[in-house]
Amino acid sequence: DAGITQSPRYKITETGRQVTLMCHQTWSHSYMFWYRQDLGHGLRLIYYSAAADITDKGEVPDGYVVSRSKTENFPLTLESATRSQTSVYFCASMGLQGNIQYFGAGTRLSVL
Amino acid sequence: DAKTTQPTSMDCAEGRAANLPCNHSTISGNEYVYWYRQIHSQGPQYIIHGLKNNETNEMASLIITEDRKSSTLILPHATLRDTAVYYCIVPGNNDMRFGAGTRLTVKP
Repeated sequence: DAGITQSPRYKITETGRQVTLMCHQTWSHSYMFWYRQDLGHGLRLIYYSAAADITDKGEVPDGYVVSRSKTENFPLTLESATRSQTSVYFCASMGLQGNIQYFGAGTRLSVL
Repeated sequence: DAKTTQPTSMDCAEGRAANLPCNHSTISGNEYVYWYRQIHSQGPQYIIHGLKNNETNEMASLIITEDRKSSTLILPHATLRDTAVYYCIVPGNNDMRFGAGTRLTVKP
């Protein structure tokens, strides 16, 4: 199906492990974003990308790494997961016309 | 970036209009106002956006004051499925800062 998909939907990991969350979009949108949402709070921007091979830090980038080798994919890696990174992670994409972002269904990550 | 202020929560009766206010007093002349909503556990969903004219689409209407310092999102006939958190955003440089939003509860 066309759209934006995130995988996995749910992930449980342990402190210190590396975790990669995947995001794939089929619209060829230039921009892609990663947000985290902690329980009862709004979304906070982690990283974003304006195009392939171009990434920039958002509000809360520490502890995360991103890459964008292809336009359609924007993986987010937690190199050494910590309990404070337990959260719901949302990926979004946006075309060049207007600031309309389209969000994935989210990945619920628990770090034990 | 212009900041926005929204009430924490609001209730609305099913079938009535829901009017969600937003203050953005520091908005600059070329900044748009965007509205998104997030239904429980789902990703945010775009609703509508505007610059200075009132806008309407199949989901909602957006009324922006003449001085552009505030706006109101109107859901003309709220249903139970409209229960969600509604975010009013004035983005800068593609940085869509989602605050706490307004939690709208539509009651039967």
